[in-house]
Amino acid sequence: GNSVTQMEGPVTLSEEAFLTINCTYTATGYPSLFWYVQYPGEGLQLLLKATKADDKGSNKGFEATYRKETTSFHLEKGSVQVSDSAVYFCALSERDRDDKIIFGKGTRLHILP
Amino acid sequence: SQTIHQWPATLVQPVGSPLSLECTVEGTSNPNLYWYRQAAGRGLQLLFYSVGIGQISSEVPQNLSASRPQDRQFILSSKKLLLSDSGFYLCAWRRGDKRSEQFFGPGTRLTVL
Repeated sequence: GNSVTQMEGPVTLSEEAFLTINCTYTATGYPSLFWYVQYPGEGLQLLLKATKADDKGSNKGFEATYRKETTSFHLEKGSVQVSDSAVYFCALSERDRDDKIIFGKGTRLHILP
Repeated sequence: SQTIHQWPATLVQPVGSPLSLECTVEGTSNPNLYWYRQAAGRGLQLLFYSVGIGQISSEVPQNLSASRPQDRQFILSSKKLLLSDSGFYLCAWRRGDKRSEQFFGPGTRLTVL
């Protein structure tokens, strides 16, 4: 079945460091891919998405590229801020399958000032 | 624009008491609706989803039930709460397009004592 695997956290970085959170997926078709962010005590917010191979999603300085050959959708940011501290979820949805979105387990990110 | 509401925001209930959490969506019609639970420091667990009025799919056998009495209303219930029902409950919606993203509500923090 479909699945999403993302790196376990917590990830701790200093402010202005480069961020990568790895995400790989297993899917039988051609999924849409998403990154969500959850700040403490809040619901999830869509951070970015990509719907086909080689698409790059971007938002708030974050980027992720849909790599079909490596089945990956790694999240990157060139210079993180303390306000980026949150939990990040990678997810996929397939057009020809059921109505569920498959989420990874989440990666907690701590940014130190 | 579309908005999603959940209430209450927080709830403290004794073991054995009933539960009713409500979720409503505005600004769209015939959405797919979802209930998730998030235990402390954990990922998302899909509990129920619905593709239409009166249509409920259950993902995990448990002490909870869901109903969709109206197109944009989704209710999570329990007749007798257990300690293990404590957690952060999130409602989400998406369009019928299976490649689209989900949009999440602000969540309800439930503590069962």
